[in-house]
Amino acid sequence: DAGVIQSPRHEVTEMGQEVTLRCKPISGHNSLFWYRQTMMRGLELLIYFNNNVPIDDSGMPEDRFSAKMPNASFSTLKIQPSEPRDSAVYFCASSYLQGLPQHFGDGTRLSIL
Amino acid sequence: ELKVEQNPLFLSMQEGKNYTIYCNYSTTSDRLYWYRQDPGKSLESLFVLLSNGAVKQEGRLMASLDTKARLSTLHITAAVHDLSATYFCAVDKGGGADGLTFGKGTHLIIQP
Repeated sequence: DAGVIQSPRHEVTEMGQEVTLRCKPISGHNSLFWYRQTMMRGLELLIYFNNNVPIDDSGMPEDRFSAKMPNASFSTLKIQPSEPRDSAVYFCASSYLQGLPQHFGDGTRLSIL
Repeated sequence: ELKVEQNPLFLSMQEGKNYTIYCNYSTTSDRLYWYRQDPGKSLESLFVLLSNGAVKQEGRLMASLDTKARLSTLHITAAVHDLSATYFCAVDKGGGADGLTFGKGTHLIIQP
Protein backbone atom coordinates (compact mmCIF):
# COMPACT_ATOMS: atom_id res chain seq x y z
CA ASP A 1 0.00 0.00 0.00
CA ALA A 2 1.16 3.52 -0.74
CA GLY A 3 1.99 5.55 2.31
CA VAL A 4 1.38 9.24 2.92
CA ILE A 5 2.70 11.13 -0.09
CA GLN A 6 4.08 14.65 0.25
CA SER A 7 5.34 17.04 -2.38
CA PRO A 8 7.68 18.64 -3.00
CA ARG A 9 10.40 16.85 -1.04
CA HIS A 10 12.57 19.94 -1.00
CA GLU A 11 11.71 23.59 -1.55
CA VAL A 12 14.07 26.54 -1.58
CA THR A 13 12.58 29.95 -2.14
CA GLU A 14 13.12 33.57 -1.32
CA MET A 15 11.50 35.46 1.50
CA GLY A 16 8.14 36.90 0.58
CA GLN A 17 7.24 34.19 -1.90
CA GLU A 18 4.17 31.98 -1.57
CA VAL A 19 4.86 28.36 -0.68
CA THR A 20 2.38 25.51 -1.12
CA LEU A 21 2.99 22.09 0.39
CA ARG A 22 0.87 19.12 -0.69
CA CYS A 23 -0.18 15.91 0.97
CA LYS A 24 -2.05 12.79 -0.10
CA PRO A 25 -3.10 10.70 2.91
CA ILE A 26 -3.40 6.94 2.99
CA SER A 27 -6.62 5.85 1.34
CA GLY A 28 -9.35 5.21 3.91
CA HIS A 29 -7.76 7.31 6.63
CA ASN A 30 -10.14 9.96 7.91
CA SER A 31 -7.76 12.13 9.94
CA LEU A 32 -4.95 14.24 8.50
CA PHE A 33 -2.32 16.15 10.43
CA TRP A 34 0.31 18.76 9.58
CA TYR A 35 3.41 18.96 11.80
CA ARG A 36 6.53 21.09 11.67
CA GLN A 37 9.96 20.00 12.90
CA THR A 38 12.80 22.35 13.78
CA MET A 39 15.89 21.96 15.92
CA MET A 40 14.76 24.68 18.29
CA ARG A 41 11.10 23.77 18.77
CA GLY A 42 11.06 20.07 17.94
CA LEU A 43 7.90 18.55 16.47
CA GLU A 44 4.83 20.78 16.63
CA LEU A 45 1.26 20.09 15.56
CA LEU A 46 0.06 22.83 13.23
CA ILE A 47 -3.45 21.71 12.30
CA TYR A 48 -5.49 18.60 11.86
CA PHE A 49 -8.57 17.58 9.92
CA ASN A 50 -11.16 14.94 10.59
CA ASN A 51 -13.33 13.89 7.64
CA ASN A 52 -11.95 16.90 5.71
CA VAL A 53 -13.05 19.39 8.41
CA PRO A 54 -10.42 21.39 10.33
CA ILE A 55 -10.71 20.44 13.98
CA ASP A 56 -7.83 22.18 15.72
CA ASP A 57 -5.73 24.92 14.11
CA SER A 58 -4.39 26.37 17.35
CA GLY A 59 -0.86 25.41 16.36
CA MET A 60 -0.85 27.48 13.18
CA PRO A 61 1.80 30.14 13.88
CA GLU A 62 0.04 33.13 12.38
CA ASP A 63 -2.25 34.31 9.62
CA ARG A 64 0.44 33.74 7.03
CA PHE A 65 -0.27 30.03 7.34
CA SER A 66 -3.39 28.41 5.94
CA ALA A 67 -4.42 24.81 5.31
CA LYS A 68 -7.18 23.23 3.28
CA MET A 69 -8.52 19.77 2.67
CA PRO A 70 -10.91 19.96 -0.28
CA ASN A 71 -11.43 16.20 -0.39
CA ALA A 72 -10.44 13.02 1.40
CA SER A 73 -7.36 12.46 -0.72
CA PHE A 74 -5.68 15.84 -0.77
CA SER A 75 -4.55 18.62 1.56
CA THR A 76 -2.43 21.73 1.19
CA LEU A 77 -0.50 23.89 3.60
CA LYS A 78 0.20 27.37 2.29
CA ILE A 79 2.55 30.04 3.60
CA GLN A 80 2.12 33.55 2.21
CA PRO A 81 4.31 35.52 2.50
CA SER A 82 7.11 33.20 3.58
CA GLU A 83 9.82 34.25 6.04
CA PRO A 84 13.23 32.73 6.90
CA ARG A 85 11.92 31.57 10.30
CA ASP A 86 9.47 29.30 8.47
CA SER A 87 12.39 27.13 7.38
CA ALA A 88 11.72 23.64 8.74
CA VAL A 89 10.70 20.13 7.78
CA TYR A 90 6.95 19.91 7.37
CA PHE A 91 5.37 16.51 7.87
CA CYS A 92 1.93 15.35 6.92
CA ALA A 93 0.45 12.34 8.71
CA SER A 94 -2.79 10.41 8.53
CA SER A 95 -4.63 7.92 10.69
CA TYR A 96 -7.83 5.91 10.66
CA LEU A 97 -8.99 5.91 14.26
CA GLN A 98 -8.03 7.37 17.61
CA GLY A 99 -5.59 5.11 19.33
CA LEU A 100 -4.10 3.91 16.08
CA PRO A 101 -0.69 5.17 15.00
CA GLN A 102 -0.38 8.15 12.73
CA HIS A 103 1.51 7.36 9.55
CA PHE A 104 3.94 10.05 8.49
CA GLY A 105 4.99 11.11 5.03
CA ASP A 106 8.62 11.68 4.10
CA GLY A 107 8.29 15.40 4.80
CA THR A 108 9.02 18.58 2.86
CA ARG A 109 12.29 20.26 3.72
CA LEU A 110 11.60 23.97 3.31
CA SER A 111 14.30 26.62 3.18
CA ILE A 112 13.37 30.28 2.99
CA LEU A 113 16.31 32.51 2.03
CA GLU B 1 -0.83 23.31 28.32
CA LEU B 2 0.08 19.71 27.67
CA LYS B 3 3.75 18.97 28.30
CA VAL B 4 5.74 15.89 27.39
CA GLU B 5 9.21 15.48 28.81
CA GLN B 6 11.72 12.85 27.81
CA ASN B 7 14.98 11.95 29.46
CA PRO B 8 17.67 11.58 28.71
CA LEU B 9 17.83 13.74 25.59
CA PHE B 10 21.17 12.23 24.54
CA LEU B 11 22.41 8.76 25.23
CA SER B 12 25.56 7.05 24.08
CA MET B 13 25.89 3.41 24.97
CA GLN B 14 27.73 0.29 23.99
CA GLU B 15 26.34 -2.67 22.19
CA GLY B 16 25.06 -5.37 24.49
CA LYS B 17 24.01 -3.00 27.26
CA ASN B 18 20.52 -2.33 28.58
CA TYR B 19 18.99 1.08 29.05
CA THR B 20 15.67 2.85 29.60
CA ILE B 21 14.24 6.05 28.16
CA TYR B 22 11.64 7.85 30.27
CA CYS B 23 8.65 9.87 29.14
CA ASN B 24 6.59 11.97 31.54
CA TYR B 25 3.46 13.81 30.47
CA SER B 26 1.14 16.29 32.11
CA THR B 27 -2.30 15.31 30.86
CA THR B 28 -4.73 12.61 31.89
CA SER B 29 -4.69 11.08 28.41
CA ASP B 30 -4.11 7.32 28.41
CA ARG B 31 -2.85 7.05 24.84
CA LEU B 32 0.91 7.12 24.49
CA TYR B 33 2.85 6.69 21.26
CA TRP B 34 6.50 5.87 20.59
CA TYR B 35 8.15 6.75 17.29
CA ARG B 36 11.59 6.28 15.83
CA GLN B 37 13.31 8.72 13.48
CA ASP B 38 16.53 8.08 11.57
CA PRO B 39 18.59 11.13 10.48
CA GLY B 40 16.92 12.94 7.60
CA LYS B 41 14.05 10.48 7.54
CA SER B 42 10.40 10.33 8.50
CA LEU B 43 8.89 9.05 11.73
CA GLU B 44 8.20 5.35 12.10
CA SER B 45 5.59 4.15 14.57
CA LEU B 46 6.95 1.71 17.16
CA PHE B 47 4.25 1.29 19.78
CA VAL B 48 0.84 2.58 20.79
CA LEU B 49 -0.04 2.11 24.45
CA LEU B 50 -3.73 2.50 25.18
CA SER B 51 -4.29 1.68 28.82
CA ASN B 52 -2.73 1.68 32.25
CA GLY B 53 -0.31 -1.18 32.63
CA ALA B 54 0.00 -1.76 28.90
CA VAL B 55 3.24 -3.41 27.86
CA LYS B 56 4.34 -4.04 24.29
CA GLN B 57 7.51 -5.63 22.97
CA GLU B 58 9.12 -5.79 19.57
CA GLY B 59 12.53 -7.33 19.31
CA ARG B 60 14.91 -5.62 21.71
CA LEU B 61 12.46 -2.81 22.50
CA MET B 62 9.80 -2.90 25.18
CA ALA B 63 7.43 -0.08 26.07
CA SER B 64 5.21 0.28 29.11
CA LEU B 65 2.64 2.76 30.37
CA ASP B 66 1.68 3.84 33.89
CA THR B 67 -1.19 6.31 33.52
CA LYS B 68 -1.39 6.99 37.23
CA ALA B 69 2.21 8.16 37.30
CA ARG B 70 1.82 9.67 33.80
CA LEU B 71 4.97 7.81 32.84
CA SER B 72 5.99 5.65 29.94
CA THR B 73 9.28 3.84 29.51
CA LEU B 74 11.07 2.46 26.47
CA HIS B 75 13.50 -0.24 27.49
CA ILE B 76 16.30 -1.39 25.24
CA THR B 77 17.71 -4.84 25.85
CA ALA B 78 21.17 -5.87 24.64
CA ALA B 79 21.45 -2.87 22.34
CA VAL B 80 22.75 -3.26 18.80
CA HIS B 81 24.10 -0.59 16.47
CA ASP B 82 21.00 -0.68 14.25
CA LEU B 83 18.94 0.77 17.08
CA SER B 84 20.83 4.07 16.85
CA ALA B 85 18.18 6.71 16.11
CA THR B 86 16.11 9.41 17.77
CA TYR B 87 13.15 8.12 19.77
CA PHE B 88 10.10 10.25 20.44
CA CYS B 89 7.21 9.74 22.76
CA ALA B 90 3.95 11.55 22.11
CA VAL B 91 0.58 11.97 23.76
CA ASP B 92 -2.74 13.06 22.36
CA LYS B 93 -4.94 15.48 24.23
CA GLY B 94 -7.65 12.94 24.76
CA GLY B 95 -11.34 13.66 24.77
CA GLY B 96 -11.59 13.05 21.06
CA ALA B 97 -8.68 15.31 20.09
CA ASP B 98 -6.18 13.43 18.00
CA GLY B 99 -3.29 15.81 17.51
CA LEU B 100 -0.08 14.62 19.12
CA THR B 101 2.19 16.54 21.46
CA PHE B 102 5.74 15.23 21.16
CA GLY B 103 8.62 15.12 23.57
CA LYS B 104 11.92 16.60 22.44
CA GLY B 105 13.26 13.18 21.54
CA THR B 106 16.09 11.01 22.82
CA HIS B 107 19.08 10.87 20.49
CA LEU B 108 20.49 7.39 20.97
CA ILE B 109 23.93 6.37 19.74
CA ILE B 110 24.96 2.76 20.14
CA GLN B 111 28.63 2.15 19.62
CA PRO B 112 30.07 -1.19 18.52
